[in-house]
Amino acid sequence: DTGVSQNPRHKITKRGQNVTFRCDPISEHNRLYWYRQTLGQGPEFLTYFQNEAQLEKSRLLSDRFSAERPKGSFSTLEIQRTEQGDSAMYLCASSSDRLMNTEAFFGQGTRLTVV
Amino acid sequence: GEDVEQSLFLSVREGDSSVINCTYTDSSSTYLYWYKQEPGAGLQLLTYIFSNMDMKQDQRLTVLLNKKDKHLSLRIADTQTGDSAIYFCAEGGTYKYIFGTGTRLKVLA
Repeated sequence: DTGVSQNPRHKITKRGQNVTFRCDPISEHNRLYWYRQTLGQGPEFLTYFQNEAQLEKSRLLSDRFSAERPKGSFSTLEIQRTEQGDSAMYLCASSSDRLMNTEAFFGQGTRLTVV
Repeated sequence: GEDVEQSLFLSVREGDSSVINCTYTDSSSTYLYWYKQEPGAGLQLLTYIFSNMDMKQDQRLTVLLNKKDKHLSLRIADTQTGDSAIYFCAEGGTYKYIFGTGTRLKVLA
């Protein structure tokens, strides 16, 4: 297992278009997180999955954002009708609740630029 | 509310020790973490400390936790140019990690 994998690494899109990102977590991890990081800031929590259930969504996640984890493995994050303010690095992380420490391992991120 | 604060910049000379500080607000956090981020890269977990510990040492890294003051620090001994990066502290509860704004460490040769 090579860690958390995110695709694509970079995405440039026109305002108003829809985009979808994919995250493949570490295989034995049952928890998956999406974060957003803008320039000069720390990552901000967006949403969390325990297996296939989405248990928490931040108020940052407007109704244009939707995340899924249909089989409890990979996850997708879709942004509809993108706006320039959506430009950011989208980070995915995974962890396991079966280990003593719930440390999260992060992927390299998908950098979204909305033009 | 949830807020994790860090100073924005730190500059040290190669070979010196670096100390990066962090204050947090959620006393129920179970673990506190330090992550490193290099340009264009994701977050790399450096170390963590359980909330009932005062100190943890891991090679060149020493984490100190003052739970009463909600203060966390990361000391890097013998700082190298490869340590130049942004360092984030994060508090973690059951499932959610709250990150600070990051401290940009610059190591001068």
